[in-house]
Amino acid sequence: LAKTTQPISMDSYEGQEVNITCSHNNIATNDYITWYQQFPSQGPRFIIQGYKTKVTNEVASLFIPADRKSSTLSLPRVSLSDTAVYYCLVVPRSNDYKLSFGAGTTVTVRA
Amino acid sequence: NAGVTQTPKFRVLKTGQSMTLLCAQDMNHEYMYWYRQDPGMGLRLIHYSVGEGTTAKGEVPDGYNVSRLKKQNFLLGLESAAPSQTSVYFCASSYPTGGGETQYFGPGTRLLVL
Repeated sequence: LAKTTQPISMDSYEGQEVNITCSHNNIATNDYITWYQQFPSQGPRFIIQGYKTKVTNEVASLFIPADRKSSTLSLPRVSLSDTAVYYCLVVPRSNDYKLSFGAGTTVTVRA
Repeated sequence: NAGVTQTPKFRVLKTGQSMTLLCAQDMNHEYMYWYRQDPGMGLRLIHYSVGEGTTAKGEVPDGYNVSRLKKQNFLLGLESAAPSQTSVYFCASSYPTGGGETQYFGPGTRLLVL
């Protein structure tokens, strides 16, 4: 499994855009990049996944450059309820799905 | 549609006691997983199953056993609990999509071993 590196913590204010960059230098050709969100005392929740270029859904956007060695999760106009831990994962295209969660990035949104 | 449920939500054990954690999913998913999460850390995979009747070891399997007798249930057993097993345990399930996959997590079971 490709190793990922992301910042330990980030602070922001309500209404701002938060960008979290994740490095995954040894990503394999068929690997996908996936982000999960975890609120305190809850299990992680899938928020977005991409393979290349840009993916957008109702929660976030994911930017992936051509070399795919990094990716950036963008949370537009955050609110206090976006305070959570965000995990970047590299998911292999195989029938043996074993995710590797690092420590994630703790995003704290202040009023 | 309850998704993934876990029983119990919280448990206190004494060292040496045994217990079983139950995970149930109603999404007809093939794959199921057990993770543990220690304070301030990410999740670590204990065991997983790619189908009824099959199980495999994850990253930290020692001290745990699992069984998948029915497709919708995945049991995690601690035969002789140790304080080092104090943690929050999460169960998850997923289905193969052929390209990346999404895991659905339960609410967690908090276990305290004294």
